[in-house]
Amino acid sequence: TQLLEQSPQFLSIQEGENLTVYCNSSSVFSSLQWYRQEPGEGPVLLVTVVTGGEVKKLKRLTFQFGDARKDSSLHITAAQTGDTGLYLCAGRNSGYALNFGKGTSLLVTP
Amino acid sequence: NAGVTQTPKFQVLKTGQSMTLQCAQDMNHEYMSWYRQDPGMGLRLIHYSVGAGITDQGEVPNGYNVSRSTTEDFPLRLLSAAPSQTSVYFCASSYSWGAGYGYTFGSGTRLTVV
Repeated sequence: TQLLEQSPQFLSIQEGENLTVYCNSSSVFSSLQWYRQEPGEGPVLLVTVVTGGEVKKLKRLTFQFGDARKDSSLHITAAQTGDTGLYLCAGRNSGYALNFGKGTSLLVTP
Repeated sequence: NAGVTQTPKFQVLKTGQSMTLQCAQDMNHEYMSWYRQDPGMGLRLIHYSVGAGITDQGEVPNGYNVSRSTTEDFPLRLLSAAPSQTSVYFCASSYSWGAGYGYTFGSGTRLTVV
């Protein structure tokens, strides 16, 4: 199992602030995905990145896949209370399985 | 609405009991999988299937069985429940297991074994 390390583990910020969360591994992935999970619900896919160096934007969220395809970051601009949740990165190598990091728990307060 | 449906949403079992967690998807997805989510451990893969009639073990398969007789259904069986199987279980499906395809998750089954 390829290990995906997410940092920080917890993050508490005020509305309007910017933040970045990181997902790192020593393994190369063919693709990397980000999910957001709210309490009592299953994770919901935000984005899939497949090319080294790829940058994708989803409104105020910016996702980047590292050049070597071993790491990724998620940047949120002007956070809102609705961004509160658990952010999970997940990497796929050559096999069938999708390996998940342990997540970054984000709390955005008014 | 199209998606992944899991039942039941909550379940309490006594040690040694058996039960089946149901998972159904109506998106004609080829790939289905079961994860368990525990505090501090993240999501860990139990079993997966790349198509009807084909299943394989994930990271933590002990104590669980699966079968896939149809494209739509992928039930997870607990053979003899143990307190260590207390967890939240998620079923997920994907159009394909290829690199560019994301997962659709069900809303989970919260299982407590006493």
